[in-house]
Amino acid sequence: KAGVTQTPRYLIKTRGQQVTLSCSPISGHRSVSWYQQTPGQGLQFLFEYFSETQRNKGNFPGRFSGRQFSNSRSEMNVSTLELGDSALYLCASRIPDSPLHFGNGTRLTVT
Amino acid sequence: DAKTTQPNSMESNEEEPVHLPCNHSTISGTDYIHWYRQLPSQGPEYVIHGLTSNVNNRMASLAIAEDRKSSTLILHRATLRDAAVYYCILRRNAGNMLTFGGGTRLMVKP
Repeated sequence: KAGVTQTPRYLIKTRGQQVTLSCSPISGHRSVSWYQQTPGQGLQFLFEYFSETQRNKGNFPGRFSGRQFSNSRSEMNVSTLELGDSALYLCASRIPDSPLHFGNGTRLTVT
Repeated sequence: DAKTTQPNSMESNEEEPVHLPCNHSTISGTDYIHWYRQLPSQGPEYVIHGLTSNVNNRMASLAIAEDRKSSTLILHRATLRDAAVYYCILRRNAGNMLTFGGGTRLMVKP
């Protein structure tokens, strides 16, 4: 079974631009969540989707948004990029009452 | 949310057992104790979890104190591939919102 796939693996953007990151969960997993990892703040929860509905949201500004499609694939979008948005963005999927399965992330660099 | 406290780093020799401690003195009765690890350039990987009883799986063992205020992840024979950051996390509900702390960076010496 293929794992969680995140694309692209690396991305370089400039301040003010927007970016869309993609996540394909493990087949059969309907729950997808996103995390941001930075050296200073560690791993922080962004949001969680289940069956195309956002169930939980972390403490991030409205520039960070996401969505989930009917095939459970998910995207997250960051608008008006700031230097501080440079981070590793991780996606995880799961089935109910099971551990999270993480992808290897998208490393975003904002210059 | 209840917090966990872990040492910043630990060292081990290859093929020796490793005991990674975690304190969670404010744990509630419904909190599960989860352990994940993150190898370099990879996303976190699930290791083990438990509620009250000790747990074993192919990767590790989890020993939970009787009062549940602390737990220990045990790697029975450390290998170089076990070098990673190990996170101890309390998971209260069925959702995906895990609160990661700083974790313990495990270094394994040959």
